[in-house]
Amino acid sequence: AQSVAQPEDQVNVAEGNPLTVKCTYSVSGNPYLFWYVQYPNRGLQFLLKYITGDNLVKGSYGFEAEFNKSQTSFHLKKPSALVSDSALYFCAVRDVMNYGGATNKLIFGTGTLLAVQP
Amino acid sequence: KAGVTQTPRYLIKTRGQQVTLSCSPISGHRSVSWYQQTPGQGLQFLFEYFSETQRNKGNFPGRFSGRQFSNSRSEMNVSTLELGDSALYLCASSFTREETQYFGPGTRLLVL
Repeated sequence: AQSVAQPEDQVNVAEGNPLTVKCTYSVSGNPYLFWYVQYPNRGLQFLLKYITGDNLVKGSYGFEAEFNKSQTSFHLKKPSALVSDSALYFCAVRDVMNYGGATNKLIFGTGTLLAVQP
Repeated sequence: KAGVTQTPRYLIKTRGQQVTLSCSPISGHRSVSWYQQTPGQGLQFLFEYFSETQRNKGNFPGRFSGRQFSNSRSEMNVSTLELGDSALYLCASSFTREETQYFGPGTRLLVL
């Protein structure tokens, strides 16, 4: 079964410093990986995705993620954190049907709360 | 282009009642999925609709049902509400079943 893990419940970083939010995955076949962000009392906002190709994926708001097949990781990164980046971040993987068919079902990690201090 | 809209945004019900939540996808999107978000269980998949047909269903009791209309709008219904159904219900839409999903703001349901 497909799964993702976010090992850190919370990440604290000072404004201006680089940030990393970790995600590891377990999949059968090629992974389709996503990062979403959730601000308080809001839905999820799409940041970026990895389907295939370049291991460094660039997304919205200056975020990027590095796909590492050997370490089965898909860490979210940003070179310089902003206070406004403080939010809940979710890593997700697209599920696969038993017969290998398409599905839009996403399996989410437990989320990582990013706190950026001014 | 307008985003995914969900109505109502907030809802208070009592145990035993039923509730219907509505989702209007982004214009042109034909796939709609529903998720439940709770502090204890996190984000869990409820069901997925494409071309008015349920394509996939999560591990939820039969009290949870949904449908999709010809204009791709979707509704989900929860009958005989339980306290544990209190959650944020999120709807997501995508152009096809394999494209990126975009989420609405959610409907926050409180069951008393």
